[in-house]
Amino acid sequence: GAVVSQHPSRVICKSGTSVKIECRSLDFQATTMFWYRQFPKKSLMLMATSNEGSKATYEQGVEKDKFLINHASLTLSTLTVTSAHPEDSSFYICSASLAGDTGELFFGEGSRLTVL
Amino acid sequence: AQSVAQPEDQVNVAEGNPLTVKCTYSVSGNPYLFWYVQYPNRGLQFLLKYITGDNLVKGSYGFEAEFNKSQTSFHLKKPSALVSDSALYFCAVRQGGGADGLTFGKGTHLIIQP
Repeated sequence: GAVVSQHPSRVICKSGTSVKIECRSLDFQATTMFWYRQFPKKSLMLMATSNEGSKATYEQGVEKDKFLINHASLTLSTLTVTSAHPEDSSFYICSASLAGDTGELFFGEGSRLTVL
Repeated sequence: AQSVAQPEDQVNVAEGNPLTVKCTYSVSGNPYLFWYVQYPNRGLQFLLKYITGDNLVKGSYGFEAEFNKSQTSFHLKKPSALVSDSALYFCAVRQGGGADGLTFGKGTHLIIQP
């Protein structure tokens, strides 16, 4: 149980375009999902906390207008990188926790974004 | 505020030898502690967690970790390393009953040499 699916796993786009990454909880309802960014050989940087039916909470230094997060249902959160630039190239990982649980996170497989 | 320290960027162990990946934490109140493993270009996989109870926690793939409250540590261990254990390992903490999410350490590369 507690499977999180992330799509696409890899995406290449041109500079200036927008890219959407989907994160789905397959066998549970996730009221809260988290979006992380991981740089090469670095730890996970929490970008934002996505709450179903409300606005996402962004971490300091993360541009909310560039990284649009939508959590429209209990099983789906999306991250849209708008007007992507090469410096946005990274590995993006989503995760979700079970409501009322110990806070253990279940992670998607990640999405490798390359902006040319 | 909560934080996690993984003091080693990389740990090298010969196959068959015991391994230890270190983790210390700082949190107000009771800690919930976790270990995750990440293989290249993949998401994180849960290994084990400590919430309450026995200080020695057993997890997936033969890994275990020992919660030491006085030393605020939660080191990951395995009695006999496999080459396939080579990966990036993350320790994470959150305050029990708190509102904050998990805080991750910077990760430790574990390299098991044949």
